[in-house]
Amino acid sequence: QVQLVESGGGLVKPGGSLRLSCAASGFAFSDYYMTWIRQAPGKGPEWLSYISTTSGFTKYADSVKGRFTISRDNAKSSLFLQMNSLRAEDTAIYYCARDLSAGYWGQGTLVTVSS
Amino acid sequence: DIQMTQSPSSLSASVGDRVTITCRASQGIRNDLGWYQHKPGKAPKRLIYAASTLQSGVPSRFSGSGSGTEFTLTISSLQPEDIATYYCLQHNSYPYTFGQGTKVEIK
Repeated sequence: QVQLVESGGGLVKPGGSLRLSCAASGFAFSDYYMTWIRQAPGKGPEWLSYISTTSGFTKYADSVKGRFTISRDNAKSSLFLQMNSLRAEDTAIYYCARDLSAGYWGQGTLVTVSS
Repeated sequence: DIQMTQSPSSLSASVGDRVTITCRASQGIRNDLGWYQHKPGKAPKRLIYAASTLQSGVPSRFSGSGSGTEFTLTISSLQPEDIATYYCLQHNSYPYTFGQGTKVEIK
């Protein structure tokens, strides 16, 4: 069955960086666009970014454009999110999801940005 | 950006009740909408895609309808295991946007 497992979250100071990973299994990873979504405490989910199957096309929400970079390694069935210049408002649970319509999600990894 | 207005924000109903949740899009999105169930500590789960198609393995008491700007998720007979927060997501136009959620509780 489809499984997505995020890792790499943690506590980081404002201005710091983190790299999130998402390990995929149970489907042909290289055949699917992949997406990152986050949910801040007490708020609804926010779509962040997606990447095409061969990494040739990426898209970002305005809130993270220029600070976050999505990438993937099809050989390792892995998705990544490099997060730089982190702010307090980036505190959230970060989820990876399969395809543009988020057909399957992982359980998420918590990122806390605080001094 | 397309705004998704979801209502109600919360509801309390009895086991066996029919429950309806609505999402309204600020502009037409054809049928590019999904419904998701999220239980605390678990991965969100898609219930409905393309506005009205039931995801494989999802109980038939869940159904979706609508097109354009008005969409509905219906639980025909609420069960205790349906306690969760439900979200809609439009994937017609970037940035994709979610509704603010409906928390469903048992009365």
